[in-house]
This record gives sequence, C-alpha cells and structure tokens, in this order.
Amino acid sequence: DADVTQTPRNRITKTGKRIMLECSQTKGHDRMYWYRQDPGLGLRLIYYSFDVKDINKGEISDGYSVSRQAQAKFSLSLESAIPNQTALYFCATSEPFAGGNTGELFFGEGSRLTVL
Amino acid sequence: LAKTTQPISMDSYEGQEVNITCSHNNIATNDYITWYQQFPSQGPRFIIQGYKTKVTNEVASLFIPADRKSSTLSLPRVSLSDTAVYYCLVGPRVVKAAGNKLTFGGGTRVLVKP
Repeated sequence: DADVTQTPRNRITKTGKRIMLECSQTKGHDRMYWYRQDPGLGLRLIYYSFDVKDINKGEISDGYSVSRQAQAKFSLSLESAIPNQTALYFCATSEPFAGGNTGELFFGEGSRLTVL
Repeated sequence: LAKTTQPISMDSYEGQEVNITCSHNNIATNDYITWYQQFPSQGPRFIIQGYKTKVTNEVASLFIPADRKSSTLSLPRVSLSDTAVYYCLVGPRVVKAAGNKLTFGGGTRVLVKP
C-alpha cells in the first residue's frame, strides 16, 4: 500500500459543484501539503499544514480550502469548482527540514480533476 | 526563497551521462539544494540534496561550486527509464514556521533516446 494515498484518482465535475479531494498518510509525518500541477508546468503550493492545528496558505489558495482532520488526513476542497481549476493535484508529506532530516517530500499518486 | 533557473529541456542517448545545471544566484547562506525527479502522471521523487562541494548517492551526483550560485545534477549512464522532468529547489534548512515551503519551478524535461 502507498504511504500517501489520494482519493479520488480521477474526477470529472461541472462548474459550480463542490469537490473534496482527500489525502491520508501512514508515514507519521506532521507536515502535509497540497500542490497543483498544470500541463507542462511545475507544481504550485496551495496550502500546507505543519500540524493538526496549523493551516497556512500557499502561493495559490484562492478558491480552495483545506481541513486537517487528524495527523494522517488532509483534505482539499473546491467550494464552487471552475474550469480553470482543472489540473492534477498532489498531496505530499514531510518531516521538518532540519537537524538530520532532508525535509524530503513524499508525494501521493495525484488526483486528476476536470471541471467542465 | 532563492529563484532558480534551469534549461527547459535536454535530449540524451542511452548510456550517456546527463548533466543538468541549475542557476541560483541569490542563494542564501542557510539554503540547501535539492533535486526531484517526476515521471508523467506521478508525484515528484527526491533524488539528492547538498549544501556544498559534491554529494553522491546510488542514483546521481550533485556538484556545487564554492560560490554556490549554481549546481549540477549528474545522471551517469542514463537509460530510457530516466526520461522524466527534473526539478532544482533551493530552500532553507531551519526550524521555523515558514520553512520547508519549497517551490517547484518548471523543471528540465530530459528525454533519453535509444
């Protein structure tokens, strides 16, 4: 089983619908992230959480919200989906980038969202 | 966070060595350099990380000159399966709330041909 699991893997929805992408991890990491990737482009950070009580906006948080239900679960919501939110979404986890740790990001397999 | 510049794409052939250079002119004293590899429709995967001089692991080598304004990822004897996008990231290794927000740029698309 994957250490970082995303559901759903693929989703097609219509403009205006509410969508939730879920992420769960078994790595025991406190830090979790949501990234978005558009075709041919790099990854852009949407939100990140350094522990259950900590939620922070990333580069492109407008139109998105998140919930950290537990150390192992971090959900991304699109309250009213629009076509330009069509993208590949990745969840990631990491240990702190300090001490003996590299801060390596461990990514899920991605959730492909299409908004019509 | 330091801005990075990498070539958009590179072509190579099986068995050759591939070197990808990343420029990071405004790298800070406490910044580390990290490289990730991404295959199509998969999340990026950590390859290597370094601060100065040379770092080598079973996958790649990372060369960092004394001024640290650039770094070169070296992939020895590539195979077709090394075709991927390679990202150079530069960021601090300090324990603070704003740390660890590594930014992925466009990366370098490496195509390995038979």
